Amino acid sequence: DSGVTQTPKHLITATGQRVTLRCSPRSGDLSVYWYQQSLDQGLQFLIQYYNGEERAKGNILERFSAQQFPDLHSELNLSSLELGDSALYFCASSVETWETQYFGPGTRLLVL
Amino acid sequence: AQTVTQSQPEMSVQEAETVTLSCTYDTSESNYYLFWYKQPPSRQMILVIRQEAYKQQNATENRFSVNFQKAAKSFSLKISDSQLGDTAMYFCAFMKHDGGSQGNLIFGKGTKLSVKP
Repeated sequence: DSGVTQTPKHLITATGQRVTLRCSPRSGDLSVYWYQQSLDQGLQFLIQYYNGEERAKGNILERFSAQQFPDLHSELNLSSLELGDSALYFCASSVETWETQYFGPGTRLLVL
Repeated sequence: AQTVTQSQPEMSVQEAETVTLSCTYDTSESNYYLFWYKQPPSRQMILVIRQEAYKQQNATENRFSVNFQKAAKSFSLKISDSQLGDTAMYFCAFMKHDGGSQGNLIFGKGTKLSVKP
């Protein structure tokens, strides 16, 4: 158990819908990262927050957004969902940006 | 832009034997970190080992060790005394150190390792 929690574990939804994925980092970790793992794209970095501020953006679609709240938990919002958004979404956290990232168990999203 | 290449999509090894997984990377950065993560069938991402580029000494963690060749931009993982529980997908990852503002990982496509009894 890495100490990073993600909810829900599984999510099945329809095209065009909107979902919210939630992540609670390890106690004391200030930095949160979101990654997408799909068969065709592999593991891709989406976005990073540090102590509530956005620090870096990767290959994140405009239909996706995220935020980190004052209690340091983070949410990833996915809207206007398409079949291709089906993937495993990981949250990771670290104490500082150069420290090792520890991953949550992931949320498996299936868009039908 | 940085890239990470794992040239072995699949490998297999007999239990108790030694196996080496390859990873090469491309970067113009001088200060960075390299990692190996393991993803077993449960899909959980588990850190195996971490190497700081400024350290010449190769990192080791129990049965896991790396061969870090900075000039060749190579970072291989050696697993000694392979165990059935080592069966997993192994990902090599790169993270540049830019003074601490960003820390995103760039992953290779992975090597699927099967340990056979």
